[in-house]
Order: sequence, then structure tokens, then C-alpha cells
Amino acid sequence: AQKVTQAQTEISVVEKEDVTLDCVYETRDTTYYLFWYKQPPSGELVFLIRRNSFDEQNEISGRYSWNFQKSTSSFNFTITASQVVDSAVYFCALSEGSSSASKIIFGSGTRLSIRP
Amino acid sequence: DAGVIQSPRHEVTEMGQEVTLRCKPISGHDYLFWYRQTMMRGLELLIYFNNNVPIDDSGMPEDRFSAKMPNASFSTLKIQPSEPRDSAVYFCASSFAGMTNEKLFFGSGTQLSVL
Repeated sequence: AQKVTQAQTEISVVEKEDVTLDCVYETRDTTYYLFWYKQPPSGELVFLIRRNSFDEQNEISGRYSWNFQKSTSSFNFTITASQVVDSAVYFCALSEGSSSASKIIFGSGTRLSIRP
Repeated sequence: DAGVIQSPRHEVTEMGQEVTLRCKPISGHDYLFWYRQTMMRGLELLIYFNNNVPIDDSGMPEDRFSAKMPNASFSTLKIQPSEPRDSAVYFCASSFAGMTNEKLFFGSGTQLSVL
């Protein structure tokens, strides 16, 4: 059965600090997809990134970067030089199988607070 | 494109009443998902459809919950009778399996309060 664990319930840092959000997943499939979503205080869920299980290259998008390590079943998310606007709940998610549009399971989320 | 449209945005009802939540997916999307979000349980997948057919409803909490997708542009989630513990934000999301960079597109959610 698929499972996503985000052990950090809440994180609070001061603006401009770097912060890493952890995500550990469990799956029996060799083909799967991992996602990160952001939920700002307004409540909508915003897609950030999708990775498939065959692509372990780390990815950087501006201040955001993702570290995918199959050996530890982890897909961690780092925000560099955090800003107040990064304050949100961040969800890691997993989809098994060859289509990432199949069942997508979310972790419990990490609430990130960036203090000015 | 208008995105995934959910209605109503807010619903307040009394225990025992029937509640119907509505969702219009993005045109052309062939998957539709219903999620429930609570503080205690986070984001739970309730049910999802592919080409209007329910694929997995194992997350539906009990018989009081039912979901339908009569056509590609409309889905409903019904709770009858409603109970206070059903209070949550209900999200609808859609996606298209044929896209090379597919992802879930979420609606704005329906905030349900059962008194």
C-alpha cells in the first residue's frame, strides 16, 4: 500500500533562512510519481512539481529545489532564502502506476511559517 | 480555461439534512477526484472517476456518502444524512492522463459546516 509521511508538522523560521521539508514515501511499485503541492492561507492547492520514479535528478526552480533519493525513499523540498510569502502548508504526494493521474495519496502536510 | 469549479463555496446545514456538493472539471480532463480536508486527518481521497466511471471509492467514509458523475462535465458528492463530523473542506480535482506533465488541478473547495 502506498503511504506518504511528512514527519514535520510545523516549521517556523526567520525570513531569509533556508528550510527543508522532509517527505518519505512507501510503495511496492517500481513506477510511481511524486508531487509537492502548496496550500497558502487562501486555501487553494497549488501544484509545485512532479517527478517520476525513473528520474532521480535533483531539480531547481528559483529558490525552490527538490532532492529525490530512491535509496532512502525520500523526496525533500528546500526553500532557499525564505520569504514571508512562502508561508503555507506544503503537501507531498504519491501516485503509483504508469499514469500519474491515478490514485494520488497526500501526506499530512507541513505548516511552514516564515517570520519577518 | 475557468479551472475546476466547485459550488457552493460555503455550506452550513443542520445535522440530518442532505448536502450536495457540485464540481465541474476542466474541459477535456478524464479523471476527477474528490478529497476531504480536516485538521485531524489531512487530505483524504474519497473517490475518483476515470471517464465518468468510479474507479476507487475505498475512501468514502460510509454509506451516507455517495458520488456520481453523470457526464464528463459534472460530478456531485452527496451526504445524507449529514453529521457534525462531516464538517470539512471538500475539494474536487481533475486531471488529464494524456498530458506529459500531468498534475491535479484543484477547485477552490467547499467549506462544509454541519451544526
